[in-house]
Amino acid sequence: ILNVEQSPQSLHVQEGDSTNFTCSFPSSNFYALHWYRWETAKSPEALFVMTLNGDEKKKGRISATLNTKEGYSYLYIKGSQPEDSATYLCAFDGAAGNKLTFGGGTRVLVKP
Amino acid sequence: KAGVTQTPRYLIKTRGQQVTLSCSPISGHRSVSWYQQTPGQGLQFLFEYFSETQRNKGNFPGRFSGRQFSNSRSEMNVSTLELGDSALYLCASSLGPGGIGSTLHFGNGTRLTVT
Repeated sequence: ILNVEQSPQSLHVQEGDSTNFTCSFPSSNFYALHWYRWETAKSPEALFVMTLNGDEKKKGRISATLNTKEGYSYLYIKGSQPEDSATYLCAFDGAAGNKLTFGGGTRVLVKP
Repeated sequence: KAGVTQTPRYLIKTRGQQVTLSCSPISGHRSVSWYQQTPGQGLQFLFEYFSETQRNKGNFPGRFSGRQFSNSRSEMNVSTLELGDSALYLCASSLGPGGIGSTLHFGNGTRLTVT
């Protein structure tokens, strides 16, 4: 059973502050690491798919880094806004097609 | 381009019954995967279909089955329902395996309640 852990489980952030959280995954048989954002009453939405060690991806105020050798990825939100409130999920792809193993998510609440 | 469509959105069944959920992927996507989401377990992989073939299966009992049709639409069936099957079932489509092509596009899910 693959272990994909996200920490913290939840986070309260003041509007305008920056924050980051972690996804840890197996460092062997790595193929790709996905990040999704899941807002309440909506479906999960893809943020990034990262495949190379050292990869950095950016989408607006959200960015992510990847370290496949040590098995972790960070997601950063710069200048958090209330619309960033969501659960952020990472998913590990261990070269088994689209059988992704999801972490438990980090629930982010941005307070105005 | 239409997104991933799941029907029905909500379903209430009683123990012992069976249920079929449907998923229509984004046009051109050939891979469809299914996930179960429960509060305690997070998103758990059920199975994945590509070109009508089941490529991967998660750790779920044989009561959970699925299939994919030639138009890539997929159905998931759960027989002999148990209370623990109450969950949100998400379907996701993608172009195929590998890199950006494996990005999952999720439907809105089917909320199944078993009483």
